Amino acid sequence: DVQLVQSGADVKKPGESLKISCKGSGYSFTKYWIAWVRQMPGKGLEWMGIIYPGDSDTRYSPSFQGQVTISADKSISTAYLQWSSLKASDTAMYYCARPRSNWHDAFDLWGLGTMVTVSS
Amino acid sequence: DIVLTQFPGTLSLSPGERATLSCRASQSVGSTFLAWYQQKPGQAPRLLIYGASSRATGIPDRFSGSGSATDFTLTISRLEPEDFAVYYCQQYDTSPWTFGHGTKVEIK
Repeated sequence: DVQLVQSGADVKKPGESLKISCKGSGYSFTKYWIAWVRQMPGKGLEWMGIIYPGDSDTRYSPSFQGQVTISADKSISTAYLQWSSLKASDTAMYYCARPRSNWHDAFDLWGLGTMVTVSS
Repeated sequence: DIVLTQFPGTLSLSPGERATLSCRASQSVGSTFLAWYQQKPGQAPRLLIYGASSRATGIPDRFSGSGSATDFTLTISRLEPEDFAVYYCQQYDTSPWTFGHGTKVEIK
């Protein structure tokens, strides 16, 4: 099956670091971009950025540039989203998603999401 | 950033009725670069329409998309019980990609 499998929910304190993952399977991981999308509780969808695992070319939304780091390890078909110092406002569901073809495309494959809770 | 405004915010309809959802962009979006997604509670979004009017794989033909430039529409010809959900439009023409705030289609 073609799928994106995300890491499990996590609870952290403000100031802590975190790295969540998204593993692709059933397709050639290095040939498709992977994006990260945030959904805060009860809110809409926000595109954070995107990476091409083949060469780690990465693009960020200005709203998230400098706030998170997107990376990928093509040897294990896994993309990552990480924070060095979490804030309470980072509490959200985070989805990874794959565009249909190139990065200028709609997302036809989504992970189930990783819920990140940041609370003291 | 391109702002996508979806209206109405909530649509209250009965099964079997027609749903018309609108998405207006703050600047012109190439029609190749407009998508619609469905999201149900506790689930990830699902792609319905890409390129403004092309149905994604496995999407029933009661879903259709139309529009160009700054005005786009998602139409559900006859609502089925499983269609009650939140719908988002998204532009992927100009970075950063942006989503509308969603239209909730609820049972009347």
